[in-house]
Amino acid sequence: NAGVTQTPKFRVLKTGQSMTLLCAQDMNHEYMYWYRQDPGMGLRLIHYSVGEGTTAKGEVPDGYNVSRLKKQNFLLGLESAAPSQTSVYFCASSGDRVHEQYFGPGTRLTVT
Amino acid sequence: AQSVTQLGSHVSVSEGALVLLRCNYSSSVPPYLFWYVQYPNQGLQLLLKYTSAATLVKGINGFEAEFKKSETSFHLTKPSAHMSDAAEYFCAVPYTGGFKTIFGAGTRLFVKA
Repeated sequence: NAGVTQTPKFRVLKTGQSMTLLCAQDMNHEYMYWYRQDPGMGLRLIHYSVGEGTTAKGEVPDGYNVSRLKKQNFLLGLESAAPSQTSVYFCASSGDRVHEQYFGPGTRLTVT
Repeated sequence: AQSVTQLGSHVSVSEGALVLLRCNYSSSVPPYLFWYVQYPNQGLQLLLKYTSAATLVKGINGFEAEFKKSETSFHLTKPSAHMSDAAEYFCAVPYTGGFKTIFGAGTRLFVKA
């Protein structure tokens, strides 16, 4: 079992460029999440999904879009990257809304 | 509003000393409580979880946590710190009003030789 994987691991973007971060899980989990982690800010929820075809906004959704076309994949898109989106992005999945989450290794994104 | 508070953003201990990381939760007794650990340049991984079956919960790497309803606390302890314990630790609780988990701000543990 690979668990939760994230692609890419690192990326540098110029302001205004777009990109998609891919998260994949092989645990048949219904719930998937995207977080960003910044120094001194802890983990902040960007978007989440409670099942295939569903998405919902978290605490900091502005500037991001997501899609969950397949149960195992959760995509995070940046349409027009800004320096404020420089961060480490983590994907996580869970089998139930009250159970533990399984995290991917993270994507380190720098926007110049 | 439901919240989790971790006292101390940084804790420093000597190798072999007791580790105590504090976590307090708000609101009513949660069905679950979690401690996660994040090693440098890695994602979070589950250290232990409370499920109301027992108030003293044992986790990986010699860590344990005790749920105390009277103090609304779920502090994490380890009798003897090891250099490899240096990491950031997060306390977390499922949000009762929705589909997310509330994470504490994290406590970074430093272990001195």
